[in-house]
Amino acid sequence: IAGITQAPTSQILAAGRRMTLRCTQDMRHNAMYWYRQDLGLGLRLIHYSNTAGTTGKGEVPDGYSVSRANTDDFPLTLASAVPSQTSVYFCASSDPLRGKGYTFGSGTRLTVV
Amino acid sequence: DAKTTQPTSMDCAEGRAANLPCNHSTISGNEYVYWYRQIHSQGPQYIIHGLKNNETNEMASLIITEDRKSSTLILPHATLRDTAVYYCIVRVLLRFGNEKLTFGTGTRLTIIP
Repeated sequence: IAGITQAPTSQILAAGRRMTLRCTQDMRHNAMYWYRQDLGLGLRLIHYSNTAGTTGKGEVPDGYSVSRANTDDFPLTLASAVPSQTSVYFCASSDPLRGKGYTFGSGTRLTVV
Repeated sequence: DAKTTQPTSMDCAEGRAANLPCNHSTISGNEYVYWYRQIHSQGPQYIIHGLKNNETNEMASLIITEDRKSSTLILPHATLRDTAVYYCIVRVLLRFGNEKLTFGTGTRLTIIP
């Protein structure tokens, strides 16, 4: 089934540890995105990539890094996790020229303690 | 970027039409209106989009006013499974065919049995 796969589904992480959230899509979409969602704040864009080999910063990029080595994968790394990064993280992809909207993954629930 | 304004919450009786309003008074001529919904803690799901003409698909109808400053998403026969947060978003098409979606806090629609 075409779509986006995120892993892990959930994770409890000690503060200061490094963590990579994985995101893979099989739709050959050029653009990919990482959002975080906190209660009462809606979805906020962390980083995005318009095409393989390029990345850009969103609204809330501090403490996060991304890479886009190929079309399918867009991992999000927390170099040294802090409790304020406790959130639900959603990966999405789109093909802007087709204008059919974003496809979202099912999310990763991360708790930093 | 064009900002959208939606009611925080709405109720609708099961089987009735749910009409969700959205104001986007600063929308530009080439910006599309997109609607997504998020059921419980799942990833957001694309519903429909439009530029200036009314649109209909298997999920919903989108009515955009002639001046494009507001729109209404219509779920013709609401079911309990339509209970979700609905996001109205203005899609900004950037250079080189890239796009940007900014999510607000949406409307929490509750379908009443």
